[in-house]
Amino acid sequence: AQSVSQHNHHVILSEAASLELGCNYSYGGTVNLFWYVQYPGQHLQLLLKYFSGDPLVKGIKGFEAEFIKSKFSFNLRKPSVQWSDTAEYFCAVEAGNMLTFGGGTRLMVKP
Amino acid sequence: NAGVTQTPKFRVLKTGQSMTLLCAQDMNHEYMYWYRQDPGMGLRLIHYSVGEGTTAKGEVPDGYNVSRLKKQNFLLGLESAAPSQTSVYFCASRLNGELFFGEGSRLTVL
Repeated sequence: AQSVSQHNHHVILSEAASLELGCNYSYGGTVNLFWYVQYPGQHLQLLLKYFSGDPLVKGIKGFEAEFIKSKFSFNLRKPSVQWSDTAEYFCAVEAGNMLTFGGGTRLMVKP
Repeated sequence: NAGVTQTPKFRVLKTGQSMTLLCAQDMNHEYMYWYRQDPGMGLRLIHYSVGEGTTAKGEVPDGYNVSRLKKQNFLLGLESAAPSQTSVYFCASRLNGELFFGEGSRLTVL
C-alpha cells in the first residue's frame, strides 16, 4: 500500500515570505498527485493536481507544485504568501481507486 | 446543486451505541469515499465505492460498515461505537480525479 509523508507539521511565516511544503510518497507504479487545502472551519478543496505531462503544475491562488519522479516527491510552493493562506495543506497520492493523504501541514501566516 | 451533503453534522454517542452517517451527492458521480480526520494523521480512508451496489475496504475499515444501495447515497455505519471512533468524518465523491468533499460530521463517543 502507498504511504504519503509530509515533513513539516507546522509552519509559521510572515506575509510575503516564500513557501515550500514537502511531500514524499512511497509507491513504485503510476500515480496521480494532488494538493488539497482546508481553510479553518471548512472542508477540503483542491489546490492542484498532476496526472501526466509537464511536472511543474500551476494551481489556484498562485500555488504551484513540482513532481520529481526520481525523488518520489511533489512539493508545493508559493513565492509570496498572504495572511489568507493560513490553512492546513494535504498532499495526496492516487494509485488505483485509492487516494491516500499525508498527515497535513498546518500553515500560519502572520500579518 | 448542493454538491455533497452529510448528515448529521454533530453527534454524541455512548460506547456501544450504533449510528449511521448519511452522505448524499447530486452530481451523479460514480465514486464515493468515507474518510476520518484526526489531528496529525491527515485523512484516512475507511471505505469506498466505485459504483452503485459496490463497496471496498480502505486503510482503516474495522468497526465500520457501508452501503451504496443508490448511486447518490453512501452510508457509513458504526455497529458498536468505541471512544477510538471519536473523529471528524468526511464523505467525498470523485470525478476526473478530483474529490468533492462534504462539510464533515463530528462524532464524539463517550
